[in-house]
Amino acid sequence: GAVVSQHPSWVICKSGTSVKIECRSLDFQATTMFWYRQFPKQSLMLMATSNEGSKATYEQGVEKDKFLINHASLTLSTLTVTSAHPEDSSFYICSAQTGTGNTIYFGEGSWLTVV
Amino acid sequence: QKEVEQNSGPLSVPEGAIASLNCTYSDRVSQSFFWYRQYSGKSPELIMSIYSNGDKEDGRFTAQLNKASQYVSLLIRDSQPSDSATYLCAVNMDRGSTLGRLYFGRGTQLTVWP
Repeated sequence: GAVVSQHPSWVICKSGTSVKIECRSLDFQATTMFWYRQFPKQSLMLMATSNEGSKATYEQGVEKDKFLINHASLTLSTLTVTSAHPEDSSFYICSAQTGTGNTIYFGEGSWLTVV
Repeated sequence: QKEVEQNSGPLSVPEGAIASLNCTYSDRVSQSFFWYRQYSGKSPELIMSIYSNGDKEDGRFTAQLNKASQYVSLLIRDSQPSDSATYLCAVNMDRGSTLGRLYFGRGTQLTVWP
């Protein structure tokens, strides 16, 4: 079964609202998690590195005030898309790195549609 | 600029043939390389990881790495229709412990026809 769970699997929201996506490591502690975005027929684009207990590190070009990341515990990171617009519609995927750093597990992904 | 380049294909091979997927990367300090398989609408699944120059074999899959040429490839022997998917090359271009900070290529779409 999945060792990294994302919720919700899909969400539809109205333009201008905010939506939160959760990423949980189910049976291991993940001090570091990563958030990716994938548009149709495009590859995964790394958005940010989420570190437990500290601020996320965002990739160049990713708006940190629009994509809020919180990693409050060793098993949970959340991505909040604020003031969502239709162009934010995408497949959002998280991954988690095990404490030893040797293995990376991907979540199942979350489809966001902004209408 | 950290880039990972793949031939987007599509690549079409008959069942039983060898499928060859290629990837180049821009950053010479890269240490960790991965091949993922992604079905439409799903999250990527790890196929192979490779860290040292040379070949690494796992069942029908062989990854090849040449750091001097900044090139990594994936061979799929005895291709099956179930191998039809998009194959993503991913590279970790960081030194240190953030292994999961990956840069992905655009993917190569593989179709294996019976």
